[in-house]
Amino acid sequence: DQQVKQNSPSLSVQEGRISILNCDYTNSMFDYFLWYKKYPAEGPTFLISISSIKDKNEDGRFTVFLNKSAKHLSLHIVPSQPGDSAVYFCAASANTGGFKTIFGAGTRLFVKA
Amino acid sequence: DVKVTQSSRYLVKRTGEKVFLECVQDMDHENMFWYRQDPGLGLRLIYFSYDVKMKEKGDIPEGYSVSREKKERFSLILESASTNQTSMYLCASSLGGIEKLFFGSGTQLSVL
Repeated sequence: DQQVKQNSPSLSVQEGRISILNCDYTNSMFDYFLWYKKYPAEGPTFLISISSIKDKNEDGRFTVFLNKSAKHLSLHIVPSQPGDSAVYFCAASANTGGFKTIFGAGTRLFVKA
Repeated sequence: DVKVTQSSRYLVKRTGEKVFLECVQDMDHENMFWYRQDPGLGLRLIYFSYDVKMKEKGDIPEGYSVSREKKERFSLILESASTNQTSMYLCASSLGGIEKLFFGSGTQLSVL
């Protein structure tokens, strides 16, 4: 039973355009959401997060939107750059969950020059 | 910067062998985690620990055990390796609560 779902295995975007990566979750107890980025042969690195009390968080070119009623979050990258090509993991955790973080399957982003 | 170091980048073991994967973090983090990454399945939590000598099962603990004798070190043990344990293993640590995770570079384990 996947509690965090990323339904698009891959996404291809032209350099300079917007990349939108989507994530859905099923557990209403999740109250903190994170995005991680992973390059080949490296561990994932933290990118941006959002608490359930907010609906938007922005950090430079990266913005995360949270729609609690739909149990949906998205990551927007504007403008996309070739160096953004990586696998992006959506993750969720709950204060009552014993500090577990649950990850989605990941979306591979290709940014074409 | 936080550094999470995994002892081996690649490992090849035979079925039935006992396998130890070691992980060390240098930032005095309370929480440590072991995940495995498989194509199409993302990162799945095997075990985690929120204090020395404490451990909690994750979502897929079967066939694995862990040891945390010191705060900075968290070991994953495969008691009798099997081919379905061939995977990328990722260790992570966090300061506490539901803070962001810091990952090591991973160990690619092949069980033949």
